[in-house]
Amino acid sequence: ETGVTQTPRHLVMGMTNKKSLKCEQHLGHNAMYWYKQSAKKPLELMFVYNFKEQTENNSVPSRFSPECPNSSHLFLHLHTLQPEDSALYLCASSQIGPQGPGNTIYFGEGSWLTVV
Amino acid sequence: QKEVEQDPGPLSVPEGAIVSLNCTYSNSAFQYFMWYRQYSRKGPELLMYTYSSGNKEDGRFTAQVDKSSKYISLFIRDSQPSDSATYLCAMSAVGSNYKLTFGKGTLLTVNP
Repeated sequence: ETGVTQTPRHLVMGMTNKKSLKCEQHLGHNAMYWYKQSAKKPLELMFVYNFKEQTENNSVPSRFSPECPNSSHLFLHLHTLQPEDSALYLCASSQIGPQGPGNTIYFGEGSWLTVV
Repeated sequence: QKEVEQDPGPLSVPEGAIVSLNCTYSNSAFQYFMWYRQYSRKGPELLMYTYSSGNKEDGRFTAQVDKSSKYISLFIRDSQPSDSATYLCAMSAVGSNYKLTFGKGTLLTVNP
């Protein structure tokens, strides 16, 4: 148990579907993140939220739409995805503050997404 | 040149071997260096955290940072089958603690 819970763990969706990934952190952190992990590629940062405000959008296509209603919850809304969007989507959280091991990033177990 | 280079392996060693995993980087602003371990179909978990140059030891694991060479290493002593996982290096610059740059990860298998 990492303190960051993601649901669903596995999702198969068609290119015309709309679905959402959910993340909840129980660590009392004030920042939350979405990362994408594809085979043979480094982890890619998608979005960052500090105190519910989006502070980073790494040129992510608009078919991915994040939502952060509070510091503990984060969603990734998915719409008209492409097969190349199939990947592991990782939610993470951290405490924004002085840099150090206590403020580093903790990951959830990920949501495996397959777009058919 | 990629910001962080990491040999993806795979690396296969017998139980009890000493394992050496490495990353090189190009951005001299990186000051914080991490190693994450990721088991199959799980999220990455923080294994080691170091600041600037030097060594850090935690049980069977030792992390080394050589900033002059822009080279970091993770050593695993007396490797166990339970160490079989993908090891990801990550690093960040001062003031960017949320913005980690990752390597691709090295897949390690420790054979009993």
